[in-house]
Amino acid sequence: DSGVTQTPKHLITATGQRVTLRCSPRSGDLSVYWYQQSLDQGLQFLIQYYNGEERAKGNILERFSAQQFPDLHSELNLSSLELGDSALYFCASSVTTGLGDTQYFGPGTRLTVL
Amino acid sequence: AQSVTQLGSHVSVSEGALVLLRCNYSSSVPPYLFWYVQYPNQGLQLLLKYTTGATLVKGINGFEAEFKKSETSFHLTKPSAHMSDAAEYFCAVIPLGNEKLTFGTGTRLTIIP
Repeated sequence: DSGVTQTPKHLITATGQRVTLRCSPRSGDLSVYWYQQSLDQGLQFLIQYYNGEERAKGNILERFSAQQFPDLHSELNLSSLELGDSALYFCASSVTTGLGDTQYFGPGTRLTVL
Repeated sequence: AQSVTQLGSHVSVSEGALVLLRCNYSSSVPPYLFWYVQYPNQGLQLLLKYTTGATLVKGINGFEAEFKKSETSFHLTKPSAHMSDAAEYFCAVIPLGNEKLTFGTGTRLTIIP
């Protein structure tokens, strides 16, 4: 158990819908990262927040957005969902933003778009 | 752009045999290097990482990796495979000056009884 929790574990929805994925980092970790894992794209970094502020952006679509709240939990919002958004979405956390900081991964949320 | 290449999407070894999973990175500057393992229906777990210092890095579950700058490689090894090692293994890199963890395509390790 990494100490990172993600809810829900599974999510099934339809095209065009909007969903919110939630992540609680390990106690004391200030950084939260979001990743997408799909068969065709592999594991891709989406976005990072550090202590409530956006820190780095990766291959995140404009239809996707995220935020980190004062209690440090984070939410990833996915809107206007398409079939291709079906994937496993991971959240990770680390103590700071130091290069080489270990990122601890949650168990993921499996999103299925029908 | 910094990238990481894992040679072999599938590797099979017999129980008790040497495990060797290959990873090469493209960079003229030594990056930070990681190996993660993903068991079925689970998240990723850090096996080991190289930041600075000793180039032979020991990790959990008997795994180790050696950073070889001249070969731009960070291969993962384990002297004796166990059935519980069956999983997917990802090599990842954070280039210096870039905080984005970039993953390889993964290698699925199968252990033959």
